[in-house]
Amino acid sequence: DAGITQSPRHKVTETGTPVTLRCHQTENHRYMYWYRQDPGHGLRLIHYSYGVKDTDKGEVSDGYSVSRSKTEDFLLTLESATSSQTSVYFCAISESTGGPETQYFGPGTRLLVL
Amino acid sequence: GNSVTQMEGPVTLSEEAFLTINCTYTATGYPSLFWYVQYPGEGLQLLLKATKADDKGSNKGFEATYRKETTSFHLEKGSVQVSDSAVYFCALWQVTGNQFYFGTGTSLTVIP
Repeated sequence: DAGITQSPRHKVTETGTPVTLRCHQTENHRYMYWYRQDPGHGLRLIHYSYGVKDTDKGEVSDGYSVSRSKTEDFLLTLESATSSQTSVYFCAISESTGGPETQYFGPGTRLLVL
Repeated sequence: GNSVTQMEGPVTLSEEAFLTINCTYTATGYPSLFWYVQYPGEGLQLLLKATKADDKGSNKGFEATYRKETTSFHLEKGSVQVSDSAVYFCALWQVTGNQFYFGTGTSLTVIP
């Protein structure tokens, strides 16, 4: 199994508070991704990173920011959490060599915003 | 744009039944196609993939063929087991931006 951990695994917070989720990898993969999973929507890309300090927006980036100061860590921040951000968040990694690459997923973080 | 459409679930089958989960896609260019599986409480795992037209991906008794003429990548298994109960996601990958596009997932329950 690819070495990907997410923390915390579960979090309950209140509307308006900041929240940071952490993804940590031990595979030295270049690409890291944050997705959210919601019923009826499958997985939707929030942000991704293609290197240290290199990030880009995905399909549903509004209300989220990311940072990657080290290869192994990719942080997702909700500056001011809203109830619509209640979801399960998955981190994924891949190592692109110019062809289609498998993504390896972390175990997920379940976030509840009250 | 790029998108994936897969059949609505949930699907409930008896053990040893034949499984088909339909997946069609819309894409610019020549995407690669994937099936991922998610077991309860876990992240997604790669099940199989196909990188060009007419390729067949297979793993653990599952298979899917990349059909460019019908823009489809249907998942099949000849005899399902209780342990196959999971949510299955069809996805496409585009070299531009190295992004995946996922379908909404199909929940499968296999009963003894």
